[in-house]
Amino acid sequence: EDQVTQSPEALRLQEGESSSLNCSYTVSGLRGLFWYRQDPGKGPEFLFTLYSAGEEKEKERLKATLTKKESFLHITAPKPEDSATYLCAVQDWLNTGFQKLVFGTGTRLLVSP
Amino acid sequence: NAGVTQTPKFRVLKTGQSMTLLCAQDMNHEYMYWYRQDPGMGLRLIHYSVGEGTTAKGEVPDGYNVSRLKKQNFLLGLESAAPSQTSVYFCASSYEGARETQYFGPGTRLLVL
Repeated sequence: EDQVTQSPEALRLQEGESSSLNCSYTVSGLRGLFWYRQDPGKGPEFLFTLYSAGEEKEKERLKATLTKKESFLHITAPKPEDSATYLCAVQDWLNTGFQKLVFGTGTRLLVSP
Repeated sequence: NAGVTQTPKFRVLKTGQSMTLLCAQDMNHEYMYWYRQDPGMGLRLIHYSVGEGTTAKGEVPDGYNVSRLKKQNFLLGLESAAPSQTSVYFCASSYEGARETQYFGPGTRLLVL
């Protein structure tokens, strides 16, 4: 089964201090890597889809990149409102032939003013 | 649009009691999902539906049943609750063109004593 490992588990940044979150995965054939954001007490919210190594996607202060073994979520000059848990997921097959999402446990990001 | 809504937000059950969690979406999505989220574990798929009147098992279906009598609603039932079912339950939906772009509800926090 595909495995998704995210690091670090938690990250504390000062406002404006850029950093990166990591998502490593083991797949028999990558069919897509997905980033979601989850605020406390809420459901996850879709951010990005990456399909092939070298692909990049950007949204405001976030940029997601993909290599053959891992993905990075770069956060440039973060603001307190970027504080959330960021989840990474890949697709895997159920025995029903349906593709499910396999989620990592997430990185909890706290950005202090 | 309300998106994906879940009822109730929070519930306490005693072991052996039954209950139904309701999920509704107003985006006309074909696919609907039930997940559970536990500390230290990624979101895990319980059951899913690819359309009205159809349901299928996910990766952790034991102890749960589902029904999708109307396209916009997806119900999750616990016939005899167990403490191991204490969790946060999320419903999600997606459309055929982008199944992995899932829209999540706000979650139901369930405590089984």
